[in-house]
Amino acid sequence: DTEVTQTPKHLVMGMTNKKSLKCEQHMGHRAMYWYKQKAKKPPELMFVYSYEKLSINESVPSRFSPECPNSSLLNLHLHALQPEDSALYLCASSPSRDRETSNSPLHFGNGTRLTVT
Amino acid sequence: GENVGLHLPTLSVQEGDNSIINCAYSNSASDYFIWYKQESGKGPQFIIDIRSNMDKRQGQRVTVLLNKTVKHLSLQIAATQPGDSAVYFCAENREADGGATNKLIFGTGTLLAVQP
Repeated sequence: DTEVTQTPKHLVMGMTNKKSLKCEQHMGHRAMYWYKQKAKKPPELMFVYSYEKLSINESVPSRFSPECPNSSLLNLHLHALQPEDSALYLCASSPSRDRETSNSPLHFGNGTRLTVT
Repeated sequence: GENVGLHLPTLSVQEGDNSIINCAYSNSASDYFIWYKQESGKGPQFIIDIRSNMDKRQGQRVTVLLNKTVKHLSLQIAATQPGDSAVYFCAENREADGGATNKLIFGTGTLLAVQP
């Protein structure tokens, strides 16, 4: 079991649906991340939140909308997705993203397997 | 994109042998590197890390070597066991936002297959 919990584990949605992925950590970490992983590929960074503020957006399409309600929670709102958005969506956390203290590993959840039909 | 490759490199070893997984990184300014293990159906799991002011770090059955001159990282696993079978990713910490923060970028990954 990981200390980063993601729900749901699996999600199937149509292209007109709106759904949300949820992530929770209780390690007191102040940085949280969304990564997208296609089969046989490495995780690709989507968003970084630092102290509940969006720090990095890797030019992700607006049909993906992140939200950080508090320091323990991270959501990813999905709307009007395409079949090519089907992937494993990974959430991660780390103590901080300050340049001086950012050399610490990210802790990953087990992901949400998303299928867009 | 930053991660390129249609195929997952595979390393096949016999149980009990030592494994060496290699990784090349591209950014000479990267100052922190991590090895992750990812089993089927799970998220990446931290194995070991190394800062750029070191060239070797040892853990339990694992050793990471860093050669900054040729921008190369390796993971050595001693006495490889069937439970070590997984995909292994190296990751580098790169500057972002004009140096205000960092982002962790993953390498291509290597599938380690341990034969009993």
